[in-house]
Amino acid sequence: DAKTTQPNSMESNEEEPVHLPCNHSTISGTDYIHWYRQLPSQGPEYVIHGLTSNVNNRMASLAIAEDRKSSTLILHRATLRDAAVYYCILRDPRFGQGAQKLVFGQGTRLTINP
Amino acid sequence: GAGVSQSPSNKVTEKGKDVELRCDPISGHTALYWYRQSLGQGLEFLIYFQGNSAPDKSGLPSDRFSAERTGGSVSTLTIQRTQQEDSAVYLCASSSFFGGGPSRAVTDTQYFGPGTRLTVL
Repeated sequence: DAKTTQPNSMESNEEEPVHLPCNHSTISGTDYIHWYRQLPSQGPEYVIHGLTSNVNNRMASLAIAEDRKSSTLILHRATLRDAAVYYCILRDPRFGQGAQKLVFGQGTRLTINP
Repeated sequence: GAGVSQSPSNKVTEKGKDVELRCDPISGHTALYWYRQSLGQGLEFLIYFQGNSAPDKSGLPSDRFSAERTGGSVSTLTIQRTQQEDSAVYLCASSSFFGGGPSRAVTDTQYFGPGTRLTVL
């Protein structure tokens, strides 16, 4: 399985943009890039996913490098509620027809300062 | 609508006892997953159900762990003869994945419950 590398922790200030990097230099051409986050004392929640093009939704934006070896999750205006562990996960559709488990790494612990 | 619910939220048990953890997925979701999160191991996959069958049990750590799902809805994870290393938060997730090929599988969103914190004394 292709692996992802993320910084262990990051810190930012409230109402400022946050850029969370993820390196995936061994990504295959068919891997989808997913981001989940886990707020304190809660289960993980889906944030966004993409394949090649940049993606936007109400929670965040996902910027994918042209060579797809890295990606960046962008929180445009961080709030205290965005403090969480953010996981960058690759999902490969070549692994069978069934639903797929998520393979979590250590993620990035994001701290938001008021 | 209602999300994934799990019970109990906390369970303290003595080493050697059996425990049952319950997961109620989002109504209509056909796929159900169990994960666990422990301090030393991070978040790890245990087992997944499609309907009532379990195509992937690869993450179950030993034969003391088993899971079942009935009626395509509620699932129970059972740990027999609990050990201290079983202490963790057990998380359940569900998704609406019903088939349709690999590309559909890898874009399906999993919705997680709040977890059951298991402490084995």
